[in-house]
Amino acid sequence: DGGITQSPKYLFRKEGQNVTLSCEQNLNHDAMYWYRQDPGQGLRLIYYSQIVNDFQKGDIAEGYSVSREKKESFPLTVTSAQKNPTAFYLCASRTPGDVGGYTFGSGTRLTVV
Amino acid sequence: AQSVTQLGSHVSVSEGALVLLRCNYSSSVPPYLFWYVQYPNQGLQLLLKYTTGATLVKGINGFEAEFKKSETSFHLTKPSAHMSDAAEYFCAVSPSGFQKLVFGTGTRLLVSP
Repeated sequence: DGGITQSPKYLFRKEGQNVTLSCEQNLNHDAMYWYRQDPGQGLRLIYYSQIVNDFQKGDIAEGYSVSREKKESFPLTVTSAQKNPTAFYLCASRTPGDVGGYTFGSGTRLTVV
Repeated sequence: AQSVTQLGSHVSVSEGALVLLRCNYSSSVPPYLFWYVQYPNQGLQLLLKYTTGATLVKGINGFEAEFKKSETSFHLTKPSAHMSDAAEYFCAVSPSGFQKLVFGTGTRLLVSP
């Protein structure tokens, strides 16, 4: 079945460490997105990519980095520069030609210990 | 800039009662509007969307929403709540022709027996 796979589901990081969250899709979608979710704040856009080898900053990109070397993969790195990284991270991809056709992964919960 | 306001971070209803979740938007261009549902520790699932045409939109699981331009609203309703409807609901807006979704802060629906 087609979909988005995020791994790991739970991740613990020590302060000062970088960590990479995986997002893989087999939907043949061109556009991919990373959102951060905090209680009471909804979802906020971190980065998005509309095509391989191209990506743009979202509203809260500071302390994060991404790459898009393959159409299927859009990993997110949370760097030590991110001051408050504990959150639920969601990856999404979009159906070509359908602005509403977002498919979401099941998320990664990152906790800084 | 586009934005979404969801009134009420928590809504409680009894099983069988009407569900009404409120969403107001701000957009300088004709908006695309969406409702998503999220179950605990999972990704988001699209309930319904409005792009153009009929202003009353029917979605999955018996939900519907009406686009009212004069009131800048897109409230979500369901005639009879079921225990399985307990979840968090997000309203989102996307400006016509653009790709990004802007989410509201979410409303948690609680359903009591």
